Order: sequence, then structure tokens, then C-alpha cells
Amino acid sequence: DIQMTQSPSSLSASVGDRVTITCRASQSISTHLNWYQHKPGNAPKVLIFGASTLQSGVPSRFSGSGSGTDFTLTITTLQPEDFATYYCQQAGDIPLTFGGGTKVEIK
Amino acid sequence: QVQMQESGPGLVKPSETLSLTCTVSGGAISSSRYYWAWIRQPPGKGLEWIGTMYYSGSTYYNPSLVSRVTLSLDAPANHFSLNLSSVTAADTAVYYCARAPGSVIAAHFDSWGRGTLITVSS
Repeated sequence: DIQMTQSPSSLSASVGDRVTITCRASQSISTHLNWYQHKPGNAPKVLIFGASTLQSGVPSRFSGSGSGTDFTLTITTLQPEDFATYYCQQAGDIPLTFGGGTKVEIK
Repeated sequence: QVQMQESGPGLVKPSETLSLTCTVSGGAISSSRYYWAWIRQPPGKGLEWIGTMYYSGSTYYNPSLVSRVTLSLDAPANHFSLNLSSVTAADTAVYYCARAPGSVIAAHFDSWGRGTLITVSS
């Protein structure tokens, strides 16, 4: 199985901050990497797919980059509604696997 | 806008079979454009992909669960289902259904249900 390692597992940030979350795959997955936002009690929501393609309707403050084994999700100006848990997911091979999550909390 | 809703028993006894259904509205599960998946999240843990199926009947399972999982699809009813046999406490989780456009590999999950908590306990 391809292991996905996210860091940090949690972070505290303020509204307006720039936030960066990283995800590392245990082997190359090209650009088959997706990012999700999850708030308690809600359905997870895809933000970025194919490593860098912004899902329709997602604000442009979210961006993704990377290829191979190292990937980054960036939120340029953190908004109150962005406090949530973020997951990366590899789609390069079966079984599909997720990172452990990064909880973004209010400082 | 597609909507997805999981339904299930809430509580299952150890060694029994868990059965869940995902009802899809706003789009046909017989569409050739999409694949249909189950994902779960045990309490305090990360997300685990269970399996994905296509309207044609093709199925793709997580090797860690393949001996216990069956996915099926009812096109007229516009829902798909998960059966997980011989459950244990380790199967306690929130179970999500989701949709993936285009394929299994290289795809993302673009729509999810809100999840249903399944507890395995006697």
C-alpha cells in the first residue's frame, strides 16, 4: 500500500494567516493527489484534485502543488470558515489511501 | 446537484453482517460517467477506502477487507449498497458513500454523503 504522511497533524493559526500543509507519498504517484476539507458532521469536500486543479466553486485562496512524492496545500489568507481538518488522498494505485489529516484550529 | 445519503442500522452485533445503503438523488447511478464508493473513518482515526464499483458491476476492493466486503448496485432504485461480514469492534466507524468521476485510479471523490455512524457491540 502507498502510505501518505501529512504534516503537521495540527496547527493553530489566525484569520488572515498563510497556511501550508504537506503530504508525502511512500512512492511516486505522479500528480494523482487530492485534497479534502472536512468539518465535523458534514460531508468531506474536495478542494484540489490532480495535485493542482481547483474544484469548481472552491475559493481561489486554496492552491495545490507538487508531483511524484511531495505535495503541498496552501491557504493564502485563512478565513473563519476554513477552520477544519484537511486530508490528502492518493489515487495512483489501489488501495486508495488517505493521509492522517491536519486539523487547522483558531489561534 | 447530486445528493447522497447513507442509511443503516446504527448498531450491529459482533460476527454479524453490516448492511448499508447509499441513496443517490439528482443523478443516475447508471451513468457511465461515475464510479460509486464507500469510505469509513473509525473514531479518532483517519479515512479508509473500502471499495468502489461501476454501474456495469465491476468492483474494486481494499485488499485488507476484500474477504468480507461485497458492493452492489440497484439502478432502478438509484442506490448502491455495502455488505461487510463478520464484523468486530474494529469495524466501528462513520461510513461514507461517495462518487468519483471517470475512474477508480486517478480519480477524486467529488460528492460525499454526510456519513452514518455504525457501532459494533453486543
